[in-house]
Amino acid sequence: GAGVSQSPSNKVTEKGKDVELRCDPISGHTALYWYRQSLGQGLEFLIYFQGNSAPDKSGLPSDRFSAERTGGSVSTLTIQRTQQEDSAVYLCASSVGSGPDTQYFGPGTRLTVL
Amino acid sequence: AQSVTQLDSQVPVFEEAPVELRCNYSSSVSVYLFWYVQYPNQGLQLLLKYLSGSTLVKGINGFEAEFNKSQTSFHLRKPSVHISDTAEYFCAVSLSGGSYIPTFGRGTSLIVHP
Repeated sequence: GAGVSQSPSNKVTEKGKDVELRCDPISGHTALYWYRQSLGQGLEFLIYFQGNSAPDKSGLPSDRFSAERTGGSVSTLTIQRTQQEDSAVYLCASSVGSGPDTQYFGPGTRLTVL
Repeated sequence: AQSVTQLDSQVPVFEEAPVELRCNYSSSVSVYLFWYVQYPNQGLQLLLKYLSGSTLVKGINGFEAEFNKSQTSFHLRKPSVHISDTAEYFCAVSLSGGSYIPTFGRGTSLIVHP
């Protein structure tokens, strides 16, 4: 079956521009996570969606970052007024439910802010 | 809050040699533990996980890990590595009885030489 997909795979933007990153989770997975992976820094949690519950936004680094999940499926991560320190690989993962389930990761979007 | 430490950022090893990748965590409550692998230019995938029961967990590709509660460790081992095991390995921990959002370590780069 289809795995988690993300688009675009690469995004180059200029400082100050807004960007949108998309994630299509595995069908039927109720949980969706966004992470940021910087070189040598591991995975940094950004935001978590579970079903119709309010998202856990505790990992968002600033108010320039926001995310939504429409219809319990596709999610979009938006970064406004991008800064050079936003350059990283943004990973999306989904899992079956709200427990300690296996997360299935997408290939990521590599964001470069010039 | 929980934290994860992967002491080795890089582990070079020769093919067919044994390897151990170290992971220590800190938490005041019970935890669930995971190892994920990221092959070059691919997304993360689950190697193995400990939820409960036997402290020795076997995963894919001949890897295993042992949960040691007294030492708060979950080291990953393989008795004989292959070139194809060259990848980035991430240890992760999530808390039982609360939010299951995992905290990831910074990763260990396993480099297998012929």
